[in-house]
Amino acid sequence: AQKITQTQPGMFVQEKEAVTLDCTYDTSDQSYGLFWYKQPSSGEMIFLIYQGSYDEQNATEGRYSLNFQKARKSANLVISASQLGDSAMYFCAMSPGGGGSNYKLTFGKGTLLTVNP
Amino acid sequence: DARVTQTPRHKVTEMGQEVTMRCQPILGHNTVFWYRQTMMQGLELLAYFRNRAPLDDSGMPKDRFSAEMPDATLATLKIQPSEPRDSAVYFCASGLGPGVYEQYFGPGTRLTVT
Repeated sequence: AQKITQTQPGMFVQEKEAVTLDCTYDTSDQSYGLFWYKQPSSGEMIFLIYQGSYDEQNATEGRYSLNFQKARKSANLVISASQLGDSAMYFCAMSPGGGGSNYKLTFGKGTLLTVNP
Repeated sequence: DARVTQTPRHKVTEMGQEVTMRCQPILGHNTVFWYRQTMMQGLELLAYFRNRAPLDDSGMPKDRFSAEMPDATLATLKIQPSEPRDSAVYFCASGLGPGVYEQYFGPGTRLTVT
């Protein structure tokens, strides 16, 4: 079974500063994928970034980067230069990975990020 | 801009009634997922399909829930009879799988059972 833990129920950050959202995971799979999704107050789920367990480089997508530490089983999301529009709930998720994976997701409980002007 | 669509967006019903939620995946996507989001349990996978065939529905209460894909452009999730504990937001997502990790979520159906 796969498990995701997000220990920060809420985080505050000043506009233009960087923020790190924590995520730890547990799995017995050798191949897996790690994801971050954003859920604004409007409710939709927006895919942000993906990291495969065999990827040696940390994933980056614009202002988002995933700090992947495999030995520690952590996959923290770093948002650089925060914007007011980044205020939302952020979910870490994982799935079995590999070329034939269906990528069914197991989600953490989420972290509510508030960006202050 | 291709999107997953879900209908209805909101549904209020009384306990015991049948509820049907519909999802239109992005054209060409062959994998469809159903998730449920509640305050207590968070986001949970209920079921998913590949090429219209159910691959895993272990997250779904079997006695009252059923999921189908009558055709490649329509996925349905049915609850019969509905109970107050079914109140949640139900998301459909579609993807190009296998091996393609990105899932595109629909806007969700907010279900309230009174």
